[in-house]
Amino acid sequence: EVQLVESGGVVVQPGGSLRLSCAASGFTFDDYAMHWVRQAPGKGLEWVSLISWDGGSTYYADSVKGRFTISRDNSKNSLYLQMNSLRAEDTALYYCAKARKRVVALLDLDYWGQGTLVTVSS
Amino acid sequence: QSVLTQPPSVSAAPGQKVTISCSGSSSNIGNNYVSWYQQLPGTAPKLLIYENNKRPSGIPDRFSGSKSGTSATLGITGLQTGDEADYYCGTWDSSLSAGGVFGGGTKLTVL
Repeated sequence: EVQLVESGGVVVQPGGSLRLSCAASGFTFDDYAMHWVRQAPGKGLEWVSLISWDGGSTYYADSVKGRFTISRDNSKNSLYLQMNSLRAEDTALYYCAKARKRVVALLDLDYWGQGTLVTVSS
Repeated sequence: QSVLTQPPSVSAAPGQKVTISCSGSSSNIGNNYVSWYQQLPGTAPKLLIYENNKRPSGIPDRFSGSKSGTSATLGITGLQTGDEADYYCGTWDSSLSAGGVFGGGTKLTVL
């Protein structure tokens, strides 16, 4: 059974930093690209970032480019999102999601975690 | 403002059919596959349709997808009260700022 478990969400002050983690199990982690998607309270889905199966390619939404860094450790079946210079508008539930394929230029997300809540507030 | 445009809400009676539209441009829907997601209240999104019109295993054939040009459509037949949810379209955008994009979401009410 595929499982994605996010962690690391907390309340942080504006300008602060945070690292989210996603522990994956039930599939061959290094066969697939992985994504982060967020959802602000009461709002729709916003794609955040993508990393290829080997970590060699990364993509970011304009809203987080230069502030967030996606990474993965295939030896630990883990995905990460380093978030710096946090703003109030980054407040959201952050989902880790598995791509259906190794190909990066797709948005077919077949498994999602339950999310971890990040609140940016003073 | 989302890159992909969906109607904020649709409604229909149980047993009826409903369609949800998703409009984009040549840099996204026009040249890439579209996927659709269902988000029941308080839960994570679930993949309903991928590659425009394919259903993952376990998704009933009441759900269908299609794409024409720069628009895509999700169809749901035989509506059930359990289908009440938010529905999102998504695709890859191949513009200079390449990345994933979602529609703003459509709230389906089964009257």
